[in-house]
Amino acid sequence: LAKTTQPISMDSYEGQEVNITCSHNNIATNDYITWYQQFPSQGPRFIIQGYKTKVTNEVASLFIPADRKSSTLSLPRVSLSDTAVYYCLVGDMYSGYSTLTFGKGTMLLVSP
Amino acid sequence: GAVVSQHPSRVICKSGTSVKIECRSLDFQATTMFWYRQFPKQSLMLMATSNEGSKATYEQGVEKDKFLINHASLTLSTLTVTSAHPEDSSFYICSAMSGPYNEQFFGPGTRLTVL
Repeated sequence: LAKTTQPISMDSYEGQEVNITCSHNNIATNDYITWYQQFPSQGPRFIIQGYKTKVTNEVASLFIPADRKSSTLSLPRVSLSDTAVYYCLVGDMYSGYSTLTFGKGTMLLVSP
Repeated sequence: GAVVSQHPSRVICKSGTSVKIECRSLDFQATTMFWYRQFPKQSLMLMATSNEGSKATYEQGVEKDKFLINHASLTLSTLTVTSAHPEDSSFYICSAMSGPYNEQFFGPGTRLTVL
């Protein structure tokens, strides 16, 4: 599984756009990129997943450049409730994607 | 859809006792479930992969005789921490795999405290 590197922490204010970048230099051809959000004492929650270019859902956008060696999770207009740890994971979907290796994640703190 | 529950949400037990944690997929069937452990301010660490009807696959360093996993049906996996000790105190999270992209849906976690 490709190793991922993310900033340990980020600070933001309510209403701002937050971009969290994840490096995955050894991503394989069949690997997808998935982001999870985790609040304290809760299980991770799926945010978004993508393979290349841009993916958008009601919660976030995921930008993946052509070389796929990095990806950026974009959270528009964050609120206090977006304070959480965000994990970037990379894995092969079609061979089972059976094991997820969680890195240290990025602790996002949103202030008023 | 794709809701995973865990029971209990938190448990406190005495050292030397065994504790069973249940993981259920409520609205889908999951042939594969996973068990993770998370210590304070640390990331999730995969403990084992649980496959319905077969033995679990444990990650390196995880004692299979201490952490017993049973996946007897397509909607239920159980983790039993045997002879629990204070160092086993942790947040245990399960996930169930479903969907065309083998997405993992996580349970809410179980806080285990061993006195």
